[in-house]
Amino acid sequence: QLQLQESGPGPVKSSETLSLTCIVSGSSLNVGNYYWGWIRQTPGKGLEWIGTIYYTGSTNYNPSLKRRVSISLDPSKNQFSLRLSSVTATDTAVYYCASLGVATITIDNWGPGTLVTVSS
Amino acid sequence: DIQMTQSPSSLSASVGDRVTITCRASQSISGNLNWYQQKPGKAPQLVIYDVSSLHSGVPSRFSGSGSGTGFTLTIRTLQPEDFATYYCQQSYNSPWTFGQGTRVEVK
Repeated sequence: QLQLQESGPGPVKSSETLSLTCIVSGSSLNVGNYYWGWIRQTPGKGLEWIGTIYYTGSTNYNPSLKRRVSISLDPSKNQFSLRLSSVTATDTAVYYCASLGVATITIDNWGPGTLVTVSS
Repeated sequence: DIQMTQSPSSLSASVGDRVTITCRASQSISGNLNWYQQKPGKAPQLVIYDVSSLHSGVPSRFSGSGSGTGFTLTIRTLQPEDFATYYCQQSYNSPWTFGQGTRVEVK
């Protein structure tokens, strides 16, 4: 069964770069039936899709974050990562990693989520 | 971006009730509409995809309908484990966007 787990260094200071990793088990990243992605959730803006990456390395980012976001794959560790630069307090959120079905763009599997707090 | 608007924002219901949640898209999204259930402190979970297809393991009391810009999620006979927040999501055009959520509370 496909499982995902987010990990990260904890609180981030304003203007720095947020980095999170998603460890995938139960499936190889090198399969063509999933996109691998990040979604975040705040009380104010609700659920926001950040971006996705395909096993080929092709990425798709939310235009609202595109200037600051980067998603990458590490097939050797079966994990993928998120980097969000120049963070502010508005980037404080619960960040989820997820798998998205290629055929339907449904978010089939979610990690439990990790709260990232941006402090000044 | 396609805007997704859910109504109501919250509702109160009792076990056994029939519950209907509406989701409207700012433009036609054909049949590319998904529903998720989220319980406090947990990640959302897929309930229905492509308007009316039940995700694996989801009870048949959940159903979805609609097309174009208007969609509904119906819970036929509300069970205690169904009290949660429900979100719609369009998968028609990137960026994929979500409704603001509908909280189903105990009456």
